[in-house]
Amino acid sequence: QKEVEQNSGPLSVPEGAIASLNCTYSDRGSQSFFWYRQYSGKSPELIMFIYSNGDKEDGRFTAQLNKASQYVSLLIRDSQPSDSATYLCAVTPSGANSKLTFGKGITLSVRP
Amino acid sequence: DAMVIQNPRYQVTQFGKPVTLSCSQTLNHNVMYWYQQKSSQAPKLLFHYYDKDFNNEADTPDNFQSRRPNTSFCFLDIRSPGLGDAAMYLCATSRDPGNQETQYFGPGTRLLVL
Repeated sequence: QKEVEQNSGPLSVPEGAIASLNCTYSDRGSQSFFWYRQYSGKSPELIMFIYSNGDKEDGRFTAQLNKASQYVSLLIRDSQPSDSATYLCAVTPSGANSKLTFGKGITLSVRP
Repeated sequence: DAMVIQNPRYQVTQFGKPVTLSCSQTLNHNVMYWYQQKSSQAPKLLFHYYDKDFNNEADTPDNFQSRRPNTSFCFLDIRSPGLGDAAMYLCATSRDPGNQETQYFGPGTRLLVL
């Protein structure tokens, strides 16, 4: 069973702080890694994707990938109350297909 | 705007009464997916279509079926809904089936089984 694990949370940070969301995966051959944001009662919305080891930055968001440690993280700088949501880590497994395996998500709350 | 549309947004059905959920897309994507997401759980892939090729997940119950009559539309049929089938059903699309392809989600249909 190929698994994606996220810290159980919830995570609470003050407005303006850095939120760090972590994810580990069991399939060493995993190819691509995605972070989705899901507001309560809504569908997942893509925040970032990363394919290669290292950091990838997009505005206030930075994705970090370490394939040797089978670890991917999402940093949110200058957190805003509007960032309060559940963040889902998703992974495409080894093999040439786009099937996603999702983690259960971690709920972030940004306190004003 | 190109998008993924799901209808209805909320569906109430009775135990054992067949129900069909609809998904359409204007992205002209080749792949369409159906996920089931229960409260506080990860989305779980039920099946997907690559063009007309149907790909069922091994653990998807036979009670769930799907049809894709053309590129734009895909349907999820639940033949005999049980109380455990109450969930959010998410449709997603991707341009192609490669492992670097991004999936775009529709707004979801929340199913309630009475």
